[in-house]
Amino acid sequence: EPEVTQTPSHQVTQMGQEVILRCVPISNHLYFYWYRQILGQKVEFLVSFYNNEISEKSEIFDDQFSVERPDGSNFTLKIRSTKLEDSAMYFCASSVLENTEAFFGQGTRLTVV
Amino acid sequence: AQTVTQSQPEMSVQEAETVTLSCTYDTSESDYYLFWYKQPPSRQMILVIRQEAYKQQNATENRFSVNFQKAAKSFSLKISDSQLGDAAMYFCAYRSAFGEGGSEKLVFGKGTKLTVNP
Repeated sequence: EPEVTQTPSHQVTQMGQEVILRCVPISNHLYFYWYRQILGQKVEFLVSFYNNEISEKSEIFDDQFSVERPDGSNFTLKIRSTKLEDSAMYFCASSVLENTEAFFGQGTRLTVV
Repeated sequence: AQTVTQSQPEMSVQEAETVTLSCTYDTSESDYYLFWYKQPPSRQMILVIRQEAYKQQNATENRFSVNFQKAAKSFSLKISDSQLGDAAMYFCAYRSAFGEGGSEKLVFGKGTKLTVNP
């Protein structure tokens, strides 16, 4: 069964460093998303991406964040200068269309020290 | 803005018994989607069930069913014949429907931690 895959599963980084989280969405999906979940809290929307551009972003998604689809398969989230409060589980998701269910990857646990 | 409320931080159920998880939401939109996601200890988000607001019939997926009350803005999840593998965090989520001009993002509740006792 097709699935969304994310790498790495766990990343530890120093505060102020740049990190790139990678995702391979399901191949025929057109909409891509990033969500994050700070430990013990609810899942929060960061950004959605369609047709090679951001279609929606939340207040959390400030200038420190960027997304890219560098080739036909990968979808990346970059955090330019990580802060302690960026420590969270980051989930990538994809959907065929905007009104169909989103399938989530297994997440990347980001720890900023 | 839409909000989703899960009033039960934790629930427990005996194996083979039935449990109902509550979810209420607030929206001014007439068409939307509601979802239940399961998050086991592995932390992956797994879709359990989906309900379209325009459908009066409650969605069912094997042992999982929902009680969708549109007027009351209530969307509860019933798990029948609970199994040890059902133990997880369960998140209720809302999304606007295409054409509403609304957001395409999922809005999640805070989750309910379900424990299944053998």
